[in-house]
Amino acid sequence: EPEVTQTPSHQVTQMGQEVILRCVPISNHLYFYWYRQILGQKVEFLVSFYNNEISEKSEIFDDQFSVERPDGSNFTLKIRSTKLEDSAMYFCASSETRSRRITEAFFGQGTRLTVV
Amino acid sequence: GEDVEQSLFLSVREGDSSVINCTYTDSSSTYLYWYKQEPGAGLQLLTYIFSNMDMKQDQRLTVLLNKKDKHLSLRIADTQTGDSAIYFCAERDSSNTGKLIFGQGTTLQVKP
Repeated sequence: EPEVTQTPSHQVTQMGQEVILRCVPISNHLYFYWYRQILGQKVEFLVSFYNNEISEKSEIFDDQFSVERPDGSNFTLKIRSTKLEDSAMYFCASSETRSRRITEAFFGQGTRLTVV
Repeated sequence: GEDVEQSLFLSVREGDSSVINCTYTDSSSTYLYWYKQEPGAGLQLLTYIFSNMDMKQDQRLTVLLNKKDKHLSLRIADTQTGDSAIYFCAERDSSNTGKLIFGQGTTLQVKP
């Protein structure tokens, strides 16, 4: 069964360093997302991406964050200068469309980012 | 703004039915979802319901939607210890981007 894959599963980084989280969405999906879950809190939407551009972003997704689809398969989230409060589980998700409707979103296993 | 609320914890005995409840605020939601998260794992899509439906059944899972009260429930029949996990309710918001708004998750504990 097709699945969304994320790498690495766990990343530890020093405060102020740049990190890139990688995702391979399901191949025929057109919509891509990043969410994050700070320990003990809700899963929060960060950004959605369609047709090679950001379609929506949350207040959390400030200038420190960027997303890219560098080739036909990868979807990346970059955090330019990490802060302690960026420590969270980051989930990538993708959705297909049927009859021009976005259907269910499938999530990856997540990357646990720890900023020290 | 849009919000989704769930109770935090539910404990049941193996073999009993579990009912996890969720309320949401966005009356224009098109799809509502249930995801399962096992310890240390990602979000697994369990089932979803389109807003013009009242009920959806999928093996041991029954989803009930009361659109008037903006209330969604997930019933798990014959609950097993393997069902122990955190269950997240989510609504698709009214934008066309497919963005999901999640509840805080209900921890289901199944006692043998």
